Amino acid sequence: QITLKESGPTLVKPTQTLTLTCTFSGFSLSTSGVGVGWIRQPPGKALEWLALIYWNDDKRYSPSLKSRLTITKDTSKNQVVLTMTNMDPVDTATYYCARLTGTNLRFDYWGQGTLVTVSS
Amino acid sequence: QSVLTQPPSASGTPGQRVTISCSGSSSNIGSNTVNWYQQLPGTAPKLLIYSNNQRPSGVPDRFSGSKSGTSASLAISGLQSEDEADYYCAAWDDSLNGFWVFGGGTKLTVL
Repeated sequence: QITLKESGPTLVKPTQTLTLTCTFSGFSLSTSGVGVGWIRQPPGKALEWLALIYWNDDKRYSPSLKSRLTITKDTSKNQVVLTMTNMDPVDTATYYCARLTGTNLRFDYWGQGTLVTVSS
Repeated sequence: QSVLTQPPSASGTPGQRVTISCSGSSSNIGSNTVNWYQQLPGTAPKLLIYSNNQRPSGVPDRFSGSKSGTSASLAISGLQSEDEADYYCAAWDDSLNGFWVFGGGTKLTVL
């Protein structure tokens, strides 16, 4: 059974750095072709992809947010960590992590999401 | 402004067939496969269609996908009340260093 779960602060202040952890089970991030990505969704708005890390430590970022994002993995702990610097109220959103897999890649399993509010 | 363009809303009555379009460009849909996600109210997105027209195990065959050129479509036949949800298309974009793009989402209402 594959599960992913996001954890981190529910409230951050403007200019602070957000650190979110995705803890997963049922698969390994050392398996060829597997990745874990982060996607967010502001309240009432669309999904927005943020970052992705592959089994071989290849990393990709949203071009519009690249300067603020860092994604890392700890294969032994089955965790992926996303940091986002200089948080702003417009970053208020539900943040999801999801597994990426397949010859034709897709996010096939998603976490339940965690709502992060940016407010002073 | 999402990279992939979807109609903001769609509707149909039970039993009807509805389609949702997704328009992109040569660097995303034109070059890569399209995935569709269903998001029921208050829940995380769920993979509905992958690789343009493949259904994951457990997804009813009422749901189908297609792609032509730089556009894709999701079709739902035999519409049911439980299909009322938001639907998103997604594809990999080859430009810059490569990144995932999502559509703006389509809210499907079952009348």
